[in-house]
Amino acid sequence: NAGVTQTPKFQVLKTGQSMTLQCAQDMNHEYMSWYRQDPGMGLRLIHYSVGAGITDQGEVPNGYNVSRSTTEDFPLRLLSAAPSQTSVYFCASSYSNLGRDGYTFGSGTRLTVV
Amino acid sequence: RKEVEQDPGPFNVPEGATVAFNCTYSNSASQSFFWYRQDCRKEPKLLMSVYSSGNEDGRFTAQLNRASQYISLLIRDSKLSDSATYLCVVNGGGSYIPTFGRGTSLIVHP
Repeated sequence: NAGVTQTPKFQVLKTGQSMTLQCAQDMNHEYMSWYRQDPGMGLRLIHYSVGAGITDQGEVPNGYNVSRSTTEDFPLRLLSAAPSQTSVYFCASSYSNLGRDGYTFGSGTRLTVV
Repeated sequence: RKEVEQDPGPFNVPEGATVAFNCTYSNSASQSFFWYRQDCRKEPKLLMSVYSSGNEDGRFTAQLNRASQYISLLIRDSKLSDSATYLCVVNGGGSYIPTFGRGTSLIVHP
């Protein structure tokens, strides 16, 4: 049981480049979400999904797109990278949005935009 | 007022000490409560859920006070390995989105 798998673990982008952060879970969780974590800011929700085909914006969605074509995968796309998007990105999933069994996080992607 | 507030600390305690953290929340209709632990440069990991009646897991005790809208985490006999940031999470109350506190830093020294 792999849990939540995020790739890549590290990435350096140039300003203006685009890329996709991958997130996959094998626990049949309906709820998936993307967070960014910056020093002193805590975890901030970017986008979330309550099931395949359903996505919605979180607290800081600008500059990011998501899609949820399958239950397992929830990729995060950076459209045109900016230095302000330098951060650590975490994907998380749970059985339901209420997370009664808690949320399982991936190991994170450390992104630097230069 | 932030939805979920925690004292950022750091709480600096000697090994063997007892330490307690509180986390206040603003949505009185919240339904699910958790404590997570996050080590430096790692992902948050579920430490324990918080139940209305309170619950204990070894050296860790979690309490929920709905009247005053806070949850607490008590750590007894602190170990060096308990050094980490502790995040509280609150969910429910009409929202699909869990709310994370910014975390409380704990440093246990010899």
